[in-house]
Amino acid sequence: GQQLNQSPQSMFIQEGEDVSMNCTSSSIFNTWLWYKQEPGEGPVLLIALYKAGELTSNGRLTAQFGITRKDSFLNISASIPSDVGIYFCAGRLSGNNRLAFGKGNQVVVIP
Amino acid sequence: DGGITQSPKYLFRKEGQNVTLSCEQNLNHDAMYWYRQDPGQGLRLIYYSQIVNDFQKGDIAEGYSVSREKKESFPLTVTSAQKNPTAFYLCASATASGTKAYEQYFGPGTRLTVT
Repeated sequence: GQQLNQSPQSMFIQEGEDVSMNCTSSSIFNTWLWYKQEPGEGPVLLIALYKAGELTSNGRLTAQFGITRKDSFLNISASIPSDVGIYFCAGRLSGNNRLAFGKGNQVVVIP
Repeated sequence: DGGITQSPKYLFRKEGQNVTLSCEQNLNHDAMYWYRQDPGQGLRLIYYSQIVNDFQKGDIAEGYSVSREKKESFPLTVTSAQKNPTAFYLCASATASGTKAYEQYFGPGTRLTVT
């Protein structure tokens, strides 16, 4: 299946800092989704994006659907300890009813 | 309270035994999905179903089977033919049409250990 590229695999940030991550692909996507997963739990949907250029916020989280439709970005502002987790991107290709997932970014917040 | 439930949270089996993982949703979603998650890897699709009594293989269906007899339920059987069954299994559901058709919502997962 289609794979999305997320890097780096792990990010260590100081509490209060902003953190940005991106998700890229060689294919054009119609939908981008961002999920957060905590240890031993299922992923939780954070933000869904449907149009190129769309910028959507959910509290301290902001995500953007890239203009080229081949990438998406997630920003966490003023990080707090409970932001710790793995952040996954997912995308849907046109005409496809399945999602492709990235391998995730592990975020560690240092108090 | 609407949501997706998976049971049990932890499951232990001996090699050679079939085991069935439960997934139930009360979100009135048409589509349901099973994924496998291994450390350091993304989610890999095992099977999915868009409608009752119909399902399709995902990327890693070998050694697994599913049924979709009711809209609310999509059980996954891990058979003895699955060479490396120990993993974290996630079930998800989504509406099958409209703008939000691809917003998949996940259950809490079942960790299966086969020894």
